[in-house]
Amino acid sequence: AQKITQTQPGMFVQEKEAVTLDCTYDTSDPSYGLFWYKQPSSGEMIFLIYQGSYDQQNATEGRYSLNFQKARKSANLVISASQLGDSAMYFCAMREGADSNYQLIWGAGTKLIIKP
Amino acid sequence: NAGVTQTPKFQVLKTGQSMTLQCAQDMNHEYMSWYRQDPGMGLRLIHYSVGAGITDQGEVPNGYNVSRSTTEDFPLRLLSAAPSQTSVYFCASRSLTSSYEQYFGPGTRLTVT
Repeated sequence: AQKITQTQPGMFVQEKEAVTLDCTYDTSDPSYGLFWYKQPSSGEMIFLIYQGSYDQQNATEGRYSLNFQKARKSANLVISASQLGDSAMYFCAMREGADSNYQLIWGAGTKLIIKP
Repeated sequence: NAGVTQTPKFQVLKTGQSMTLQCAQDMNHEYMSWYRQDPGMGLRLIHYSVGAGITDQGEVPNGYNVSRSTTEDFPLRLLSAAPSQTSVYFCASRSLTSSYEQYFGPGTRLTVT
C-alpha cells in the first residue's frame, strides 16, 4: 500500500487564488512528521514546511500553511495568494518513528501551474 | 557556506561504463543520502549514511555502491551503467540532532545510452 498519496498529478490555478495540494498518508506509528518540498523547473528541491504528529497547531511559513487532519490522515499544503513563481512540482514526504535516523517516504508529486 | 554540492551536473555514459557521482556538504551533518528521481515518481532512496564509516541500503540499491570515509563526502559509484539508471540523482544531508529539514544538492542528470 502507498504510504504517501498525492492524488492530483496536475493542477491549473489562476494567479492570486489560494491553492490546496492534497497529501494523504498511512502509518501506524504515533510519532511521525510530514514535509512539503517544492521543485521548480530549474530542478532544485526547496524545503517549504514541516508538521510533526505531536504539534498542536498547524504549521505556517509565510504564504504556506499545512492543513493537518490526523483523523483523516491528511496533510494538505495551502498556498495563499498564488504567484506565477509558485508554478512547480510539489512533493509531500513523511518520516516515521521517533528515531533520528529515519528515511523519508515520498509521494509522486503534484505539478502546479499558475495561470496569469 | 556552500551547503550540499554535487558534481557533475550532467553526464552521459555508455552501457557498461562506471563512474562516480560526487557529493559534499559543509554543514557537519551526520546523515547523508542519495536519491534517484524518475518521471512521474517521487524520490527513491538508493543508499544512506548516518556517519563516517556507516552506510546502509535504501529502497533501490542494486547497481550502486557508496562509501563514507569523512563526514563531508558521500560519493555514489555506478559499477556498470545500464539504461535503467538514466535518471536525476540527488544527494541530501541533514543533522541527526537538530531540525528535521533535509538539504538537497542541485542534482546530477545522468543519461546512459
